Amino acid sequence: DTGVSQDPRHKITKRGQNVTFRCDPISEHNRLYWYRQTLGQGPEFLTYFQNEAQLEKSRLLSDRFSAERPKGSFSTLEIQRTEQGDSAMYLCASSPSGRAYEQYFGPGTRLTVT
Amino acid sequence: GNSVTQMEGPVTLSEEAFLTINCTYTATGYPSLFWYVQYPGEGLQLLLKATKADDKGSNKGFEATYRKETTSFHLEKGSVQVSDSAVYFCALSDLRDNYGQNFVFGPGTRLSVLP
Repeated sequence: DTGVSQDPRHKITKRGQNVTFRCDPISEHNRLYWYRQTLGQGPEFLTYFQNEAQLEKSRLLSDRFSAERPKGSFSTLEIQRTEQGDSAMYLCASSPSGRAYEQYFGPGTRLTVT
Repeated sequence: GNSVTQMEGPVTLSEEAFLTINCTYTATGYPSLFWYVQYPGEGLQLLLKATKADDKGSNKGFEATYRKETTSFHLEKGSVQVSDSAVYFCALSDLRDNYGQNFVFGPGTRLSVLP
């Protein structure tokens, strides 16, 4: 068990550019979650997948955001036309079937939009 | 909607001091309660949990009791160590939610323990 991994750990981009983040969950976990964490705040739920199906999206996830989980393994989160307000830590978590409260978090990707 | 409130930090303590971090919640359903810890440069780790009223969660010397009457889940440790320095997040999840999407976190409390 190598834990949840995320790539890249840091991303600096200019406003208007597109960025994509990757999350590799714990291999046997069928549920995968994306959260956003801004400075001094707790994580805020963005979206989650059960296997390859995206089952819920928060109102925080504007149409500039899209997430995929092809084949129910790794997931990508893409932000198009980034804005300075998108600067945050993007966290990925996974959980095993039947134990959704046991969410195992990755180290996060810190996005800075200049 | 569901929400979590935590005491504001930072909290600074000397090694071996007693720790309390207050957490209160608002929930419309039957929440499970959690404490997560985030060490510098790392992701959040589940520290302890309680799934029903009067349950006590415990791990690594930390304890928290689910108090339904006061809607609280305060984190305590009898003797903190420098290695406990981290940010602590109180969180809740609705038991009726089979998928975990209604996970709500508090803002976090930063703890610094001085030698």
